[in-house]
Amino acid sequence: QKEVEQNSGPLSVPEGAIASLNCTYSDRVSQSFFWYRQYSGKSPELIMSIYSNGDKEDGRFTAQLNKASQYVSLLIRDSQPSDSATYLCASRFSGNTPLVFGKGTRLSVIA
Amino acid sequence: EPEVTQTPSHQVTQMGQEVILRCVPISNHLYFYWYRQILGQKVEFLVSFYNNEISEKSEIFDDQFSVERPDGSNFTLKIRSTKLEDSAMYFCASGGSDYGAQYFGPGTRLLVL
Repeated sequence: QKEVEQNSGPLSVPEGAIASLNCTYSDRVSQSFFWYRQYSGKSPELIMSIYSNGDKEDGRFTAQLNKASQYVSLLIRDSQPSDSATYLCASRFSGNTPLVFGKGTRLSVIA
Repeated sequence: EPEVTQTPSHQVTQMGQEVILRCVPISNHLYFYWYRQILGQKVEFLVSFYNNEISEKSEIFDDQFSVERPDGSNFTLKIRSTKLEDSAMYFCASGGSDYGAQYFGPGTRLLVL
């Protein structure tokens, strides 16, 4: 059974701070990993994808992957109140196989 | 920017009735998915569709569910006889390539009374 685990939060950070979101996955052979942002009542919105060990940066977001530790993280720099949402981590075994989602971490950025 | 669209945005139905949820994936995408999310729970996979056939389905996707791609643009999910526990947000997603990301539509909120 493939599982993705996230701390449900809420994680509260002050405006301008770095938010750090973490995720672990059970399936050692998972190939690709994704972070989605989900506002309440809305659909998941892709933020980052990462496929190789190391860091990947896109604007204020940095995804980090450590396949040996089966660990993925997302850093949000200069957090804004508009970043307040639930962040979903997802893994995929291979190719076009379905995504396996974690329950999400709720982030609250306090102005 | 291309996006996945879904209709209707909300659907209220009586238990035992049939519902059809519609999706228009991103036009050059080849892989199509349905997921659902019960309120307060995680996003769960239902079914994937590629090359005009189901490529994978979950335990949730039983005989009450079916999918179709009736023409070159639409992708539908049918629930034949709805149950109370089918109440959820249903998301369509599409992907353009192997290993590529999946992009989600805005969802259909289904309420079964």
